[in-house]
This record gives sequence, structure tokens and C-alpha cells, in this order.
Amino acid sequence: QLQLQESGPGLVKPSETLSLTCAVSGDSISISSDHWGWIRQPPGKGLEWIGNVYYSGRTYYNPYLKSRVTISVDKSKNQFSLKLSSVTAADTAVYYCARQTIVPTPNFDYWGHGTLVTVSS
Amino acid sequence: QTVVTQEPSLTVSPGGTVTLTCASSTGAVTSGYYPNWFQQKPGQAPWALIYDTDSKYSWTPARFSGSLLGGKAALTLSGVQPEDEAEYYCLLYYGGAHWMFGGGTNLTVL
Repeated sequence: QLQLQESGPGLVKPSETLSLTCAVSGDSISISSDHWGWIRQPPGKGLEWIGNVYYSGRTYYNPYLKSRVTISVDKSKNQFSLKLSSVTAADTAVYYCARQTIVPTPNFDYWGHGTLVTVSS
Repeated sequence: QTVVTQEPSLTVSPGGTVTLTCASSTGAVTSGYYPNWFQQKPGQAPWALIYDTDSKYSWTPARFSGSLLGGKAALTLSGVQPEDEAEYYCLLYYGGAHWMFGGGTNLTVL
């Protein structure tokens, strides 16, 4: 059974960089049919796709966040990471990691439980 | 700016049927948008229900079904149960591995 677990600081200061990691268990992050993604949800609001990474390191970002986002993969640790720079209070959200497989067609099937990140001084 | 629109809220009686829709500001939603649907209950992560318009996961209850309806993606719940009260989100694929969520529909079972 595939499991994803987010980890990282729950509090980040404005203008600093938010950093989160998603540990993947029950599956190899290097499977060619899988992308690995980050999604966020501000308190009381809807979901927003942040971006995906392929095991090769190729990335795909939400155009509205692209200038501040970096997603990377660490195959040796079977995990992938999110960095969001120059954060403001608007970046306060629950951050989820998820698998986006392409088998049989593109879909996000497994999600982590999410981690709340608050941006505040 | 592309916008994906869902009904903000809907109410259905237990045992009834309700259809939620998902529209794109770019035009008619087709199978090429690979519509995905998720259920989210308070304090929980989203739970995948439907992918590729009408495909179900092994864990998707039979009362949930997906379709294309009048240029929109649609999620129909038949024989609604009290536990189906939740927020429902659609997700559309815009090519180049880019995705966009709808704003969500708050479904009340009353």
C-alpha cells in the first residue's frame, strides 16, 4: 500500500523560504509511470495545484507560482521536496503531497495527510 | 486567467440523487481534460473518487459516477448516504502536465 508523509516546519517567517519533504513508502519513486506532486489548501479555501516532479527531475509548475517554486526528487531517499521562496501570509495553508500516475490515464490517486504551514513573524 | 467553476453548494435528501458539475472558462470540458473528482471531509485529506471522466478506483462506492454533461464534467451521486456530506472538488488537465482545481462544491445531505 502506497503511503506518503509530509514533513517540515510548521511556522515560517515572512520573506523566508518554506521547505517541505514528502517521504514515499510502499512504492519506488523511480517508477516511470509516476509523477509526484504538491497541492495546497489555505484555511477554509479550495485546493491549488503547485506542481509535479518526475523521477528524472523534470518539473512542471503552476504558472502563477512558478517564479517562487522549486520541486526536487531524491531517489536515494525515495522522497521529494518543495521549496517556496519569499513567502507571505497568503502562503499559509495545508500542504499535501500526492502521486500523479499516468496509468491508465493521468490521475492523482494517493495523497498524504497534509501538513499545516503558517507564515507569521 | 483560466477558471474552473463548480456549484458552491448543493443540498440533497438522503436516498436522493444529485449531480455536481465542473466547467472550464476555456470552453467545453472534454475527455482530453481527464476530469478527476475528489471528496474531502473536514480535517481530512482529499480522497480520490473518479478519474478520466468516468473511471472508478477499486475503493470508489458504486453510487458515485462520472460523466460529461452539456460541456461540463459531472459527478452524480445516486442513493445519497448521510456520510456523503462533504466538499467535492474537480480537477482538470490543461496539457503540459498542468492541472487546475475547481473551487469545490459543499454538499449537504438533509
